[in-house]
Amino acid sequence: DAGVTQSPTHLIKTRGQQVTLRCSPKSGHDTVSWYQQALGQGPQFIFQYYEEEERQRGNFPDRFSGHQFPNYSSELNVNALLLGDSALYLCASSLNRPIFTYEQYFGPGTRLTVT
Amino acid sequence: GIQVEQSPPDLILQEGANSTLRCNFSDSVNNLQWFHQNPWGQLINLFYIPSGTKQNGRLSATTVATERYSLLYISSSQTTDSGVYFCAVGTGTASKLTFGTGTRLQVTL
Repeated sequence: DAGVTQSPTHLIKTRGQQVTLRCSPKSGHDTVSWYQQALGQGPQFIFQYYEEEERQRGNFPDRFSGHQFPNYSSELNVNALLLGDSALYLCASSLNRPIFTYEQYFGPGTRLTVT
Repeated sequence: GIQVEQSPPDLILQEGANSTLRCNFSDSVNNLQWFHQNPWGQLINLFYIPSGTKQNGRLSATTVATERYSLLYISSSQTTDSGVYFCAVGTGTASKLTFGTGTRLQVTL
């Protein structure tokens, strides 16, 4: 049973550049959520995708955008990178069957460094 | 939004000792998960426990939803238990998770 996968593992970008991170959900899952974890803090919710639409969004600027594909995989795009965007970006997947469980499973993360 | 507080923030134990980690939350939840984050950043699912009690080996968890808290028990701790333990809660139907600030556990020989 394939778990959540993310790519790339590490990434170094320069201020002002754009970056795309990728996520494939756990087999059988249809919902993808993205989180940002700064050093020493807990993960913060960015947004969630279901049926190829953004269903909920956290307190992040429009520079953060996403996409979900028909196979349920997802991308996170960040434009005009700032030094403060340096963080671990985590993808989580879940199944939109709330009568059973809301449990989320996380990928290994992408560590983004902005210089 | 919902507030999640974890205590203690830091914990140092000798191998073999037992510990209790606490998570308080400020509103009703329909999702509560405990995670262990390893040194490489991977969040490992420990328990999905919006209410009740569960056990998995040396770990167990209890959530008292009416009193808005959850406890994670670690017995006979091992050095591999070291890392950060997060409690995360969700409300409503969209299943967004709000994380606590974590408990950093160090188990020494």
